[in-house]
Amino acid sequence: GENVEQHPSTLSVQEGDSAVIKCTYSDSASNYFPWYKQELGKRPQLIIDIRSNVGEKKDQRIAVTLNKTAKHFSLHITETQPEDSAVYFCAASRATGNQFYFGTGTSLTVIP
Amino acid sequence: ETGVTQSPTHLIKTRGQQVTLRCSSQSGHNTVSWYQQALGQGPQFIFQYYREEENGRGNFPPRFSGLQFPNYSSELNVNALELDDSALYLCASSRRVEGNTIYFGEGSWLTVV
Repeated sequence: GENVEQHPSTLSVQEGDSAVIKCTYSDSASNYFPWYKQELGKRPQLIIDIRSNVGEKKDQRIAVTLNKTAKHFSLHITETQPEDSAVYFCAASRATGNQFYFGTGTSLTVIP
Repeated sequence: ETGVTQSPTHLIKTRGQQVTLRCSSQSGHNTVSWYQQALGQGPQFIFQYYREEENGRGNFPPRFSGLQFPNYSSELNVNALELDDSALYLCASSRRVEGNTIYFGEGSWLTVV
């Protein structure tokens, strides 16, 4: 089955700096990669996703890049704000599959 | 909000008991998946239901079972509860035609004592 690894497990940045979270996956058939943000005691919320037919996708301060050859994808948050503080999870899935494989999460703290 | 609703939000059970968790999917969504999220971990896939039938299962024992109803709502049942079953149980719904983007409900916090 698929194995998704996520790094780092914790990340602290100063407000206004950028944050980068990286994930690797093992199943070359995976072709859909969402990112979720989970605040304490809340549900995971989809913040951005990318499919394997594109290499990069941006949405305001958030961007995701995908390298299918190397089997890794990354989340980039620019101009971080205190409200970006949360746990972020990457995930991988096949388009024809029914199961998402999640990373172990990155706890991001943005220091004002 | 996603439109996916779950109940109950919190519950405490004793080891050996049984529990039923409920989920109403987002309008227009015909597929429901259940995930278990232990403290400090990522969600783990339990199973998925489509057209009232189980459509894939993760690495969970048979005492985890489910149902999907004609209105696409779903139940997760866990028998013979163990302490390690304490977790956040997340329901996620999706539309088959959109591929597999999933949207989570707020979850049910289960504590087994």
